[in-house]
Amino acid sequence: DAGITQSPRHKVTETGTPVTLRCHQTENHRYMYWYRQDPGHGLRLIHYSYGVKDTDKGEVSDGYSVSRSKTEDFLLTLESATSSQTSVYFCAISESWGGTDTQYFGPGTRLTVL
Amino acid sequence: GNSVTQMEGPVTLSEEAFLTINCTYTATGYPSLFWYVQYPGEGLQLLLKATKADDKGSNKGFEATYRKETTSFHLEKGSVQVSDSAVYFCALSNSGAGSYQLTFGKGTKLSVIP
Repeated sequence: DAGITQSPRHKVTETGTPVTLRCHQTENHRYMYWYRQDPGHGLRLIHYSYGVKDTDKGEVSDGYSVSRSKTEDFLLTLESATSSQTSVYFCAISESWGGTDTQYFGPGTRLTVL
Repeated sequence: GNSVTQMEGPVTLSEEAFLTINCTYTATGYPSLFWYVQYPGEGLQLLLKATKADDKGSNKGFEATYRKETTSFHLEKGSVQVSDSAVYFCALSNSGAGSYQLTFGKGTKLSVIP
């Protein structure tokens, strides 16, 4: 299994509070991704990173920001959480940026915004 | 744009039954195609992939053939086991358009009963 951990694994928070989710990898892969998984939507890309301090937006980036100060860590921040951000969040990594490359997923963080 | 359509679930089969999960896609260029599996409480794992037309991906008794003429990548297994109960996601990565982000289908939940 790829060495990917996510923390916390579960979190309950209130509307309007800031939340930061962490993804940590031990594979030294250059590319990292944040997805959200919602019933009836599959997985949708929020943000991705192609190197330290290099990030870009995905399909559903509104209300989210990311940072990557080290190769191994990719943080996802909800500046002011809303109930629509209740979801399961997955981090993924890949070794290269190519159409044939496999993405490896972390175990997920279940976030509930009340 | 890119899109993936999977047959809706849930699908319930008896052990040793034949499995087919249909997947069709829309994409420009020459996408790579993937099947990911998600076991309860876990992240997604790559099950198999195919990177060009007529390629067959296979793993753990599962197979899927990349059919460009029908834009399909149907997942099959000859004899399912209870341990195959999971959610299966079809996905594509479109290398022809300069973007390698994964686009997922909505997932198909499979339950196998003894």
